[in-house]
Amino acid sequence: QKEVEQNSGPLSVPEGAIASLNCTYSDRGSQSFFWYRQYSGKSPELIMSIYSNGDKEDGRFTAQLNKASQYVSLLIRDSQPSDSATYLCAVSSGGYQKVTFGIGTKLQVIP
Amino acid sequence: ETGVTQTPRHLVMGMTNKKSLKCEQHLGHNAMYWYKQSAKKPLELMFVYNFKEQTENNSVPSRFSPECPNSSHLFLHLHTLQPEDSALYLCASSRDTLNTEAFFGQGTRLTVV
Repeated sequence: QKEVEQNSGPLSVPEGAIASLNCTYSDRGSQSFFWYRQYSGKSPELIMSIYSNGDKEDGRFTAQLNKASQYVSLLIRDSQPSDSATYLCAVSSGGYQKVTFGIGTKLQVIP
Repeated sequence: ETGVTQTPRHLVMGMTNKKSLKCEQHLGHNAMYWYKQSAKKPLELMFVYNFKEQTENNSVPSRFSPECPNSSHLFLHLHTLQPEDSALYLCASSRDTLNTEAFFGQGTRLTVV
């Protein structure tokens, strides 16, 4: 059973701080890693994808991947109240039909 | 704004009803997916279609019946559902099924009474 683990939260951070969201996965053969943001009552929105070890930055978002330790993280710098949402980690071992999602971490940015 | 459109957005149906969910994508993608999202559970992949051919059926009960007439349209036919089938049903599409990002529709909130 392939598993993707996330702390469901809520994770509360003050506005302007760095929010750190973590995800671990069980399948060592995993190749593709995604972070989705889901606002309450809305559908998931892809915000980051990462395929190789290291960091990938896009604006205020940085995805970090460590395949040896089987974890992927998402850092959000200068957190804003509009970042308050549930962040879903998704991991694939062979094409998108093999994607496994985590339960998501609820982030609350406090003004 | 999304390139994947789902209708209806909300649906209430009785256990003896038959209804269909519709999904349309305007992104030129070749792969389409149905997901189920229940409270406090991870997204569950239900069906995968690639170039109109079903490639995955993750042990979904037969009361859910997918149909993909072309690469742009996907349906989920529902009949004799149970209350535990109440959930958010999400459609997604991607360029293909090989390690590419997927884009989701807004979902259909289904309530079975």
